[in-house]
Amino acid sequence: QSALTQPPSASGSPGQSVTISCTGTSSDVGGYEYVSWYQQHPGKAPKLMIYEVTKRPSGVPDRFSGSKSGNTASLTVSGLQAEDEADYYCNSYAGSSYWVFGGGTKLTVL
Amino acid sequence: QVQHVQSGAEMKKPGASVKVSCKASGYTFTTYAIHWVRQAPGQRLEWMGWINAGSGNTKYSQKFQGRVTITRDTSASTAYMDLSSLRSEDTAVYYCARQHDTLTGYSFDYWGQGTLVTVSS
Repeated sequence: QSALTQPPSASGSPGQSVTISCTGTSSDVGGYEYVSWYQQHPGKAPKLMIYEVTKRPSGVPDRFSGSKSGNTASLTVSGLQAEDEADYYCNSYAGSSYWVFGGGTKLTVL
Repeated sequence: QVQHVQSGAEMKKPGASVKVSCKASGYTFTTYAIHWVRQAPGQRLEWMGWINAGSGNTKYSQKFQGRVTITRDTSASTAYMDLSSLRSEDTAVYYCARQHDTLTGYSFDYWGQGTLVTVSS
């Protein structure tokens, strides 16, 4: 169960869009429609932002969207705002009742 | 409202064990699974394992197999994570989070506040 691969950092100016990738294998990201994304501010618990690749929980702004192609999932944040600055983690179901997280991406709003 | 309240910070010596609790409220505990995730200082989230709060069935990450035990007390709507043979690398914040195959789509929708476990001689 190796960690999913995310870029360590990403950045964008207010109002711009930024996309964070999450690469796994056919045994996790590519094999299931169960990729989720979490936002974590310093010292806080993670917050669910996207589940089942593209779905947003109630209360999450529609500026956040998810997609997947093959073994790579992506989180796009449109219309960047200062409060979007945080760490973002992807997670995937990996079969046989196992789950795996990505390495995390620090999003900076310039 | 859904809440998970975790036990307080712990300081342990190497070789000892720690037991962290996660008390659920605001929903029917036994219809969900509880997962445990940890985060070492400045590091990524790491999935440790989970328990089906209804059946009591468990599954553990291979990394922690043999050292971690997850249990639950349905009468108290509380899940527990026991980690043994502690070493300095186990210093981390430990989180619980709930999950439901159909209602949350294999994702973790409500998390506890985290419990800091420090392992030091």
